Amino acid sequence: QSALTQPPSVSGSPGQSLTISCTGTRSDVGGYNRVSWFHQAPGTAPKLLIYEVTDRPSGVPDRFSGSRSGNTASLTISGLQAEDGGDYYCSSYSTSMTIIFGGGTKVTVL
Amino acid sequence: EVLLLESGGGLVQPGGSLRLSCAASGFNFNTYAMTWVRHSPGKGLQWVSGISGSGTATYYADSVKGRFTMTRDNSRNTLYLQMTNLRADDTAVYYCAKDRGPYFGEPYFDSWGQGTLVTVSS
Repeated sequence: QSALTQPPSVSGSPGQSLTISCTGTRSDVGGYNRVSWFHQAPGTAPKLLIYEVTDRPSGVPDRFSGSRSGNTASLTISGLQAEDGGDYYCSSYSTSMTIIFGGGTKVTVL
Repeated sequence: EVLLLESGGGLVQPGGSLRLSCAASGFNFNTYAMTWVRHSPGKGLQWVSGISGSGTATYYADSVKGRFTMTRDNSRNTLYLQMTNLRADDTAVYYCAKDRGPYFGEPYFDSWGQGTLVTVSS
C-alpha cells in the first residue's frame, strides 16, 4: 500500500492556473475510475473536490477539474484565488479493498 | 445537516489501547459506509479502515491490521475504532468520514468530523 506520488509544493499567482499530478499504478489510479481529490485548509478537515476522476460534488466551483492519463491523475485549478491555498491530496481505490492517499501537495497563492 | 463528532482521543503510552467514537446525525446512518482517516504532519492523510453500512464488512490498512478494530452501532448512530498495541507512528488526528452509499469501495468521503488527536508517547 504505497502512497501515490504528488509534488510536495506548487505555487501560482491569483488568476493563474495550476495543475497537480498524482501518479500511481495500474493497481490503483490507472485501474479504476475511483480517484478523488481533497483540499485541506490549515486546521480544518479535508473537503471533497473531485470524485470518480472528473466529477465535482455539488457546491464545488467549476474552477476545479480532474483528469487522468494512464496511471497519472491530475487536478487543475483555474483562476487561482487566495482561498485556494492549503494542502491537496489525491486518493484512489486500490486492489484488495483498500484506499490510498497521495503524500499531499502544498499550494501557495503568491 | 450532516454532523460527525469524534471523541476519545488523548495521550497513551506505547503498547496501550484507546477507543475512538464518532457520533453521527443528520442522515440515515445505517445506509452509509463509513471510514476512518488519520492525519499526521509528517505523513499527510492516511486511510485507516472502512466499514459497510450494515457493519458486516470491514477493511483495514496493512499498518493497522490486527491491531485496530472498526465497528458501528446503528441503533446509536455511532462509529467506533478500537485501537490496541499502539505505536508512536499511530500519533495523528483521526477523522471519521461518511461515504456516499452502503458499500465501501471508493474514496467518496463527502462529510468529515472535526477530528480527535491521538498521541502515543511515553
